[in-house]
Amino acid sequence: DGGITQSPKYLFRKEGQNVTLSCEQNLNHDAMYWYRQDPGQGLRLIYYSQIVNDFQKGDIAEGYSVSREKKESFPLTVTSAQKNPTAFYLCASSITAGGEQYFGPGTRLTVT
Amino acid sequence: SQQGEEDPQALSIQEGENATMNCSYKTSINNLQWYRQNSGRGLVHLILIRSNEREKHSGRLRVTLDTSKKSSSLLITASRAADTASYFCATDYSGNTGKLIFGQGTTLQVKP
Repeated sequence: DGGITQSPKYLFRKEGQNVTLSCEQNLNHDAMYWYRQDPGQGLRLIYYSQIVNDFQKGDIAEGYSVSREKKESFPLTVTSAQKNPTAFYLCASSITAGGEQYFGPGTRLTVT
Repeated sequence: SQQGEEDPQALSIQEGENATMNCSYKTSINNLQWYRQNSGRGLVHLILIRSNEREKHSGRLRVTLDTSKKSSSLLITASRAADTASYFCATDYSGNTGKLIFGQGTTLQVKP
């Protein structure tokens, strides 16, 4: 999984709680991404960041928040405003935006 | 939606046969990429083909790009059981600020 770590692998939360998913990379990549994947589906972009202290909304940003205070770290917070948070979350990075992306192993979030 | 479309959605073949997957997209691109995902894991980058390229090879993989038809194909030759996975195309659209748009994927099963 190429120098990107996501933790934890499985995460369980009660409805109404915020939860933060960790993503760290040691590849010295400028760009980082968060995707959501539902069963049998492709990836949908939540947020992405092309440089430290800057990030943009993806296609499904509502109910999520991110920060990019360090080049190596791009944590994702799933807030209680996200209506259907149960999903598989994937973090990725690339040397430059639009280039080959390296993915972490993913975090499977279950909210009940 | 700018999302690429892949076909077939599912493909089942015998070991040793070739597997072909297709991807169509909607607007001009900078590059098109193919990724593999084993069940429950992160994606792994396979090949990137730029808009001015027509064909690329990597081991048993052959990717073609036809920008006039806005389509690409991934051919896996002499398939193995270990090739069983989901395969996704992803496009870097021109003027799209560097984010990739992923297709829904093709699920390939290679029977031993």
